[in-house]
Amino acid sequence: EAGVAQSPRYKIIEKRQSVAFWCNPISGHATLYWYQQILGQGPKLLIQFQNNGVVDDSQLPKDRFSAERLKGVDSTLKIQPAKLEDSAVYLCASSGPRGSNYGYTFGSGTRLTVV
Amino acid sequence: SQQGEEDPQALSIQEGENATMNCSYKTSINNLQWYRQNSGRGLVHLILIRSNEREKHSGRLRVTLDTSKKSSSLLITASRAADTASYFCAGGTSYGKLTFGQGTILTVHP
Repeated sequence: EAGVAQSPRYKIIEKRQSVAFWCNPISGHATLYWYQQILGQGPKLLIQFQNNGVVDDSQLPKDRFSAERLKGVDSTLKIQPAKLEDSAVYLCASSGPRGSNYGYTFGSGTRLTVV
Repeated sequence: SQQGEEDPQALSIQEGENATMNCSYKTSINNLQWYRQNSGRGLVHLILIRSNEREKHSGRLRVTLDTSKKSSSLLITASRAADTASYFCAGGTSYGKLTFGQGTILTVHP
């Protein structure tokens, strides 16, 4: 089966600019996640969707970050305006039915550099 | 916030040796998962152990879970140079939220 697709692979922007990332999860996976991974750290959950509804966005900086998952499939994550500390890899993941032993499937991520 | 801590932060071994990484977590979990990340790439799921399990094997991997101590360990036997990567543990809730630790960087020298 195809994996989780993310684009772009790399992005360099200036601070105060806006940027958007796109994710296409594995077909049939109802749950989609966006994680932020700062260099040298573990991934931090930004938002979790179940179909097109938000399950957890407690760590999403809502003054500048937004995310949507239209029709319960693809998702976009937007940052506006970007700050230097937003430089990180943004990882999208999806998961299948609860109770499965297969964990999450992650995309390759988008590496964002804010200068 | 991160789920917990991994120990050691970095581990350097020779090919053929065993590698053991430990993980502690803070909150109640439904399952504990281990992931591997090669430099500049996404995470790859290795193994999942449920909160009612104590030990699980998959190929050269052995995972233990002690819920009374809120800790887990990952053992990789007969390490290979290709095992060089960062390894993360993550605590999972019943509704699917996964919280990662800071990771262990494993270097296996040929």
